[in-house]
Amino acid sequence: AQKVTQAQTEISVVEKEDVTLDCVYETRDTTYYLFWYKQPPSGELVFLIRRNSFDEQNEISGRYSWNFQKSTSSFNFTITASQVVDSAVYFCALRFLGAGSYQLTFGKGTKLSVIP
Amino acid sequence: DSGVTQTPKHLITATGQRVTLRCSPRSGDLSVYWYQQSLDQGLQFLIQYYNGEERAKGNILERFSAQQFPDLHSELNLSSLELGDSALYFCASSVTGEGETQYFGPGTRLLVL
Repeated sequence: AQKVTQAQTEISVVEKEDVTLDCVYETRDTTYYLFWYKQPPSGELVFLIRRNSFDEQNEISGRYSWNFQKSTSSFNFTITASQVVDSAVYFCALRFLGAGSYQLTFGKGTKLSVIP
Repeated sequence: DSGVTQTPKHLITATGQRVTLRCSPRSGDLSVYWYQQSLDQGLQFLIQYYNGEERAKGNILERFSAQQFPDLHSELNLSSLELGDSALYFCASSVTGEGETQYFGPGTRLLVL
């Protein structure tokens, strides 16, 4: 069975602070994808990143960076110099890469509030 | 804008009623997924269609059904509605339904009174 745990339910930071959102996953599969999605107050789900289990390189995109560590089954997300527009719920998700199971398994989400 | 459209945006109905939610995938995407987001259950996968055929089923109630039409749009039918069915229903699409990224629509917020 697959499971994604986002232990931080809510985080508040002051604008310009850095913040890391944790994601720990469980899977018996050796090949899988990991995702992060953002859900702003307007409600839509916005894709941020996809990482496959073969690629443990960290990724940076502007103020966003992701740290994938297979050894600890973690895929953490860091926002540098946070801004008010970063306020949202962030979801980590897992998807098995093989046939027969195409759905995303989501964590419960972390609500980030960036205070001006 | 993900390119996935969902209608209606909001729906208010009464217990026992039936509603239909509609989704149009991104141009070129063959696979459609339906998810339910509720406060207690979080985001849960309901069902996936690929090019008109059901591909995978998740935690979908028997009162719920879906289909994907030849033009690739999909409809999710919810019947005998209960208060607990109140949720945000998302449709997502992807090119083939394999490991690639699923892009989500804006969702339909259903309120059952």
